[in-house]
Amino acid sequence: GDSVTQMEGPVTLSEEACLTINCTYTATGYPSLFWYVQYPGEGLQLLLKATKADDKGSNKGFEATYRKETTSFHLEKGSVQVSDSAVYFCALFLGAQKLVFGQGTRLTINP
Amino acid sequence: DTAVSQTPKYLVTQMGNDKSIKCEQNLGHDTMYWYKQDSKKFLKIMFSYNNKELIINETVPNRFSPKSPDKAHLNLHINSLELGDSAVYFCASSQGTGGGYNEQFFGPGTRLTVL
Repeated sequence: GDSVTQMEGPVTLSEEACLTINCTYTATGYPSLFWYVQYPGEGLQLLLKATKADDKGSNKGFEATYRKETTSFHLEKGSVQVSDSAVYFCALFLGAQKLVFGQGTRLTINP
Repeated sequence: DTAVSQTPKYLVTQMGNDKSIKCEQNLGHDTMYWYKQDSKKFLKIMFSYNNKELIINETVPNRFSPKSPDKAHLNLHINSLELGDSAVYFCASSQGTGGGYNEQFFGPGTRLTVL
């Protein structure tokens, strides 16, 4: 079945460090791909998305490129801030309005 | 101007009780969802309703019964609560019926603790 696998957390970085959170997927068709972010005590918010191969989603300095050949959608940011501390979820959408989420990666940024 | 709201925010109850969680969205969306997030943060869809019709039921025990009185509301009733039901429950909504172009907006979550 359709699934999403994220790199295991937690991830701890210093402020201004580079970030990569790996995400790979398995799907029978051509899904749309998403990154959601969950700040402490809050619900999920859409961070960025890509709907077809080679699309790049970007928002708030974060980027992710839809790589069909490697079935990946890795999240990257060049310089993280303390305010980026949150749990990040990779997700795919493949019809029937059903989002399939990865297990989440907790990111902590130290000043 | 809350987009997706849930009540209550916290719910602590005894095993065997029946409880309800309410969800309302003021975005004019026609599709609503319930998700369960377990203690390890794993998030999984439970139900989806489109225009008050059930379209997704992900093998959830029949102790869980969603009810959609109108497009703006999707409530979740849980009978005979068990310890394993302890989790954070998220409501979400979106416009449209597919294609991945329609962002799902999430509520703040309801933390259910069963003692």
